[in-house]
This record gives sequence, structure tokens and C-alpha cells, in this order.
Amino acid sequence: DAGVTQSPTHLIKTRGQQVTLRCSPKSGHDTVSWYQQALGQGPQFIFQYYEEEERQRGNFPDRFSGHQFPNYSSELNVNALLLGDSALYLCASSLWGATTDTQYFGPGTRLTVL
Amino acid sequence: KNEVEQSPQNLTAQEGEFITINCSYSVGISALHWLQQHPGGGIVSLFMLSSGKKKHGRLIATINIHEKHSSLHITASHPRDSAVYICAVSSGGTSYGKLTFGQGTILTVHP
Repeated sequence: DAGVTQSPTHLIKTRGQQVTLRCSPKSGHDTVSWYQQALGQGPQFIFQYYEEEERQRGNFPDRFSGHQFPNYSSELNVNALLLGDSALYLCASSLWGATTDTQYFGPGTRLTVL
Repeated sequence: KNEVEQSPQNLTAQEGEFITINCSYSVGISALHWLQQHPGGGIVSLFMLSSGKKKHGRLIATINIHEKHSSLHITASHPRDSAVYICAVSSGGTSYGKLTFGQGTILTVHP
């Protein structure tokens, strides 16, 4: 049973570029959440997708956008990259409506913006 | 002030010691989560609780809803327990919607 997978593992971009990060949820899960974790900080919620729609959003600018596909996998897109976007991006999956289960996290994508 | 505060930020212990990490929150929650993060980034969920106490092996988590406070205890600590421990709360219509995280507690256990 595959857990949450993310790609790529590491990514280096320059300011102004655009980036796409990918996430496949744990088998049986239909909800994907994205988090940004700066060095030495706790993760910050970016947004959550269920049924191909953004359900909740954190305090992130419109440069951060996402998508969920019919197979429940998800993408996080960041446009016009800034140095401050350098962080570990974590994807977590869960089952919408389940009250006894928790979120399962992927290994993360380390993004470096130069 | 952050919605979720953890203490201490750093904790050093000798193998075998009893460890306590504290978490206070200021918002309404549907559940509180304790997570473990090892170097390299992977996060593992340890507990999700909304009341009372849970135990798993040497780990114990408690929550006091009225005081908006939770503790994570590690009994007979071991060097392999060295990691970052993060408290997070979930809100929204389900028990695990948006997670709001504390800043984490870096635990180092020496042999």
C-alpha cells in the first residue's frame, strides 16, 4: 500500500520562474492538503483540495495555486518565485469526512530559489 | 501571538529520562495532533486527540480542553527519540481540515 508520494525531491529555481510540485495521496484517500515549511519553522497551511475543488485556503498570495485531478493526485503551482518561497513543501492526504483518521504526510519537496 | 505555542523550543535529555513537551492553543479546535519530524523532512503522525489521554508504547498524550493545553510525554527516552516534535490543531468542519502548527520542539537524547 503506497503512502503519500511527492515529486520532485529537490528543486532549484531562480527568482521570477514558475514551479510545479506534485503529490499522490495515500491509497484510499481523496483529500490533499499542501503546507509550506520554512527552515526552523512549523509548517504553514497553503490550501486543501477535495473533489477537484479548493476547499480551504491559508494566508498565501494568488501566486500559489493548485489543482486536483480525478485520480485525487494534486499539483501545487507557484508563479513569479521569490527568494522567500524557498522552503520544504509538504503534501498531506486524508479521507474527507473521516473523524477518526489523521493526515498522512509525504516526504516533501525542498525548493530553493536563487 | 501564535495560535499554537509549544515549550520548550529545545530540549536535551539523557537516555532513560522522562520527557514532557507542552502545547497551548488559543483557538477553537476539533482535534489536536502530535507529530514527529526527522531530519530530511518526513512527518509522522503520533496522536490525534480531542479529549482525555492516549498512549502508544512509551508515548503518552494528554489534552485539557478547558485549559486549551496538551502535553506529550516520553517515558524511558532513547537516542532514537531525537527528532522535532510538533503540535498542531485542526479546525473546520472535519476533524483534520486545516492544520495549524506550533513551531516545534527539537529533542536531543544523549546516550
